[in-house]
Amino acid sequence: QKEVEQDPGPLSVPEGAIVSLNCTYSNSAFQYFMWYRQYSRKGPELLMYTYSSGNKEDGRFTAQVDKSSKYISLFIRDSQPSDSATYLCAMLYSSASKIIFGSGTRLSIRP
Amino acid sequence: GAVVSQHPSWVICKSGTSVKIECRSLDFQATTMFWYRQFPKQSLMLMATSNEGSKATYEQGVEKDKFLINHASLTLSTLTVTSAHPEDSSFYICSARTSGSMNEQFFGPGTRLTVL
Repeated sequence: QKEVEQDPGPLSVPEGAIVSLNCTYSNSAFQYFMWYRQYSRKGPELLMYTYSSGNKEDGRFTAQVDKSSKYISLFIRDSQPSDSATYLCAMLYSSASKIIFGSGTRLSIRP
Repeated sequence: GAVVSQHPSWVICKSGTSVKIECRSLDFQATTMFWYRQFPKQSLMLMATSNEGSKATYEQGVEKDKFLINHASLTLSTLTVTSAHPEDSSFYICSARTSGSMNEQFFGPGTRLTVL
């Protein structure tokens, strides 16, 4: 069983829709949870960074962490074609440990 | 935010040759740099962790004699793929970690290696 599971998609939604991206994980020791966005043939860029459980909002993006269910989500409101990319969830045991990435979900926003 | 560059962005080489990829932190000092490999439609797989001035720590299954990593300064790490073969063709991405409280990693734009 992989430490982090993420549906690879592809996921296609119309412009303006709310997008929900999710990951599950198996190890309760994870404490830091991140979402990265990666455009084709580019390096990943950090979107959201959350420590422990709870919600975090940044503009059109909301990250949720439910440690009791070992489940994290990223919501994108008012989705735009420029949001089309691969979204990777990622986790850390501690701030000094290596990042464990999900497989990434390919998202396409249709104009 | 902090910027990490990689050079070259794309390289094509013949089988059996060696290729060097550079990773630089442009506006901060990185005590730790990481090298990842990403195959098409797959996630990033950590190859090795590099600390300035010391030997790199390789992940299980990564050949240290094939993928030579040098981290000679706080702003530069290099990955040399020795005796490259077509199966080494991949997207290689580095990241650099600051020593701040969040220990955030900043990723480079990646280097696409094609071995003929």
